[in-house]
Amino acid sequence: EPEVTQTPSHQVTQMGQEVILRCVPISNHLYFYWYRQILGQKVEFLVSFYNNEISEKSEIFDDQFSVERPDGSNFTLKIRSTKLEDSAMYFCASSLSLMSNQPQHFGDGTRLSIL
Amino acid sequence: DAKTTQPPSMDCAEGRAANLPCNHSTISGNEYVYWYRQIHSQGPQYIIHGLKNNETNEMASLIITEDRKSSTLILPHATLRDTAVYYCIVRRGGGTSYGKLTFGQGTILTVHP
Repeated sequence: EPEVTQTPSHQVTQMGQEVILRCVPISNHLYFYWYRQILGQKVEFLVSFYNNEISEKSEIFDDQFSVERPDGSNFTLKIRSTKLEDSAMYFCASSLSLMSNQPQHFGDGTRLSIL
Repeated sequence: DAKTTQPPSMDCAEGRAANLPCNHSTISGNEYVYWYRQIHSQGPQYIIHGLKNNETNEMASLIITEDRKSSTLILPHATLRDTAVYYCIVRRGGGTSYGKLTFGQGTILTVHP
């Protein structure tokens, strides 16, 4: 069964450094998402992306965050100048469409630790 | 999106059916009910979704009441590997915010030997 893959599984970064989290969505999916989950808290929506544009973003997704689909297979989340509070699990998801009857499928996440 | 209410935790014996309830009394006519689960900090795993009819797949069954104000996820023969946090999510059917999923705290299901 096709799946969303994320790399690396664990990223350790010094505060203030830039980090790029990578995702390979399911191959025929057109819509891509990033969520995060701070330890012990709820899964939170960050951003959705379609046709090389952001469709929707949350209040969390401020100017330090950016997303990109640099080629036909990868989808990346960049965090500039990381802060301690950026430490979390980051999940990528993809779906065939934005229609509400099309489920999103998630990867297993990248654990980001900011020191 | 409509708010959902789930019990914080439930227990189930291995081999028995696990019935996880969810209340969504403010659901709108075009909103789907989705169920996901998260096993030990892995990514959320899609289980099943429905609009108003009952649904069944290889993982589970979803029973939605006629007034659509509540639903039940049924795992017919729970195994130890079904121990997870189960999320009931109501997802809008149209408009500008129908892409994102809004997760609550979910129900921690513990399956006992």
